[in-house]
Amino acid sequence: GAGVSQSPRYKVAKRGQDVALRCDPISGHVSLFWYQQALGQGPEFLTYFQNEAQLDKSGLPSDRFFAERPEGSVSTLKIQRTQQEDSAVYLCASSWGAGERETQYFGPGTRLLVL
Amino acid sequence: DQQVKQNSPSLSVQEGRISILNCDYTNSMFDYFLWYKKYPAEGPTFLISISSIKDKNEDGRFTVFLNKSAKHLSLHIVPSQPGDSAVYFCAAYGGGYQKVTFGTGTKLQVIP
Repeated sequence: GAGVSQSPRYKVAKRGQDVALRCDPISGHVSLFWYQQALGQGPEFLTYFQNEAQLDKSGLPSDRFFAERPEGSVSTLKIQRTQQEDSAVYLCASSWGAGERETQYFGPGTRLLVL
Repeated sequence: DQQVKQNSPSLSVQEGRISILNCDYTNSMFDYFLWYKKYPAEGPTFLISISSIKDKNEDGRFTVFLNKSAKHLSLHIVPSQPGDSAVYFCAAYGGGYQKVTFGTGTKLQVIP
């Protein structure tokens, strides 16, 4: 079956622009995660959804970052008024259930470059 | 504050030999550990995991060892193959309900 897909794969934005990054999780997966990976670093947790409910957004770096999953499947991560420090790879992951310690399956990421 | 540390950014190993990747953590709340493998332009792929109630877990060529008292875990790959060349991330659960904390990664190169 299809894995986690993300679009666009690459995005170049001018500083101050708004961007929207899309994630299509594996069909039927309850849990969805967003991570930010800066160059040379590991992925850092941003936010977690269980179905359409956003249960943890403690990793979102500022109020310019907003994520939603309105129907419990596709998710969008929106960054308003992008800054150069937002340049990173944004990874989406999904897992089957809502239980703890489940394996997360990652998408290929969206590489965002803010000029 | 880096709670999961991989102090070796890179490692080179001859094909057929053992690869040992190390990871240290500081948060005593972590209770489940994972290793992910990442190829360029792809997302991380789950490799192997270990619960804090165990000290060893084996899956084929891959074995993860956990030393809770030292807050240290390692991944052993035996024998190493060229296809194992990738970046390996150590990760831990326990900082939040579903939150996974990743290390900075170790780039493994297996030389044919």
